[in-house]
Amino acid sequence: AQKVTQAQTEISVVEKEDVTLDCVYETRDTTYYLFWYKQPPSGELVFLIRRNSFDEQNEISGRYSWNFQKSTSSFNFTITASQVVDSAVYFCALSEALNYGQNFVFGPGTRLSVLP
Amino acid sequence: GAGVSQSPRYKVAKRGQDVALRCDPISGHVSLFWYQQALGQGPEFLTYFQNEAQLDKSGLPSDRFFAERPEGSVSTLKIQRTQQEDSAVYLCASTSLSSGYEQYFGPGTRLTVT
Repeated sequence: AQKVTQAQTEISVVEKEDVTLDCVYETRDTTYYLFWYKQPPSGELVFLIRRNSFDEQNEISGRYSWNFQKSTSSFNFTITASQVVDSAVYFCALSEALNYGQNFVFGPGTRLSVLP
Repeated sequence: GAGVSQSPRYKVAKRGQDVALRCDPISGHVSLFWYQQALGQGPEFLTYFQNEAQLDKSGLPSDRFFAERPEGSVSTLKIQRTQQEDSAVYLCASTSLSSGYEQYFGPGTRLTVT
């Protein structure tokens, strides 16, 4: 069965600090997709990144970076030089490719507060 | 173009009432998903449509929950005889084959059952 764990329930940092959000997943499939979504106070989930299980290259997009390690089943998300606008709940999610469109499993989320 | 829209944004229902929640996906998106998000938790899968076909309804919590997408575009999630435990945000998402596995989410409908 699939499972996504985000051990950090809440994190508070001061603006300009770097912060890493952890994500650990479980799946029996060899082909799967991992995602990060941001949910600001307005409530709408915003897509940040998708990574497939065959691509372990780390990715950087502006202040955001992602570290995918199959050996530890982790897909961690780092925000560099955090800003107040980064305050939101961040969700990691997993989809098993064999069940395209189905079984899209979210973690419980990490609430990030960036203080000025 | 326009994103996924949902209506109403907020719904208050008395216990035992029936409710209908609407989702307008992005035009041309063949796949549509419904999720339930309880307060402080991640979204949980309810059901999935590909065009008008409901391919997976394994996440629907009881037979009081029913979803349809008769013409392969707009979808309605209906909850009969609402209970307090149905209080949650109901999220709709759509995706196209060209967008791969990226789901575009609507703003959600916050249902409160009193």
